[in-house]
Amino acid sequence: DAGVIQSPRHEVTEMGQEVTLRCKPISGHDYLFWYRQTMMRGLELLIYFNNNVPIDDSGMPEDRFSAKMPNASFSTLKIQPSEPRDSAVYFCASSFGVGNQPQHFGDGTRLSIL
Amino acid sequence: GNSVTQMEGPVTLSEEAFLTINCTYTATGYPSLFWYVQYPGEGLQLLLKATKADDKGSNKGFEATYRKETTSFHLEKGSVQVSDSAVYFCALSNTGGGNKLTFGTGTQLKVEL
Repeated sequence: DAGVIQSPRHEVTEMGQEVTLRCKPISGHDYLFWYRQTMMRGLELLIYFNNNVPIDDSGMPEDRFSAKMPNASFSTLKIQPSEPRDSAVYFCASSFGVGNQPQHFGDGTRLSIL
Repeated sequence: GNSVTQMEGPVTLSEEAFLTINCTYTATGYPSLFWYVQYPGEGLQLLLKATKADDKGSNKGFEATYRKETTSFHLEKGSVQVSDSAVYFCALSNTGGGNKLTFGTGTQLKVEL
């Protein structure tokens, strides 16, 4: 079975540019999560969706960050304009149901803003 | 609110040594508890879980028991291998919070020959 698929795996861009990260969740999963991982702050939940609807975006750091889920098989996380402090590994995860169901993570996008 | 506290790493062990990584939690109600593992360059993978008090989760020789009286979920393995070198995350979820996970800060394990 295909797992959570993220693209690109690596992104290097200059400050001020728009960055779009993509995620395809596991088919049939109704929850989708975006995380950011850095050495300083560890793993942070940015936003999550249930049935394509954003439920909690309290972790989104600033208005420069936005996320969409236009359908059950695709989500994007956009940063515009990007800044060097946005450099991190961004993970997408999906799950089915609530409570004791595990989340399945993609391999992440390593983002470097120069 | 929910929180998870893990022992700080890195933890360095020789191959075949016994492993314990401590994890304690604070949560309302009856959370589900998880251990995830992250190998270099990869995303997190579920290692094991327990959904109620006194449950024991186990996988690949790792075990953890849900102890409600001590609010703990310590990870153990009797004999570690070099291939177990990774970062281990303890996490919890509450049904009332959807499937939102609260993670600990992670503990890096290094196993040497």
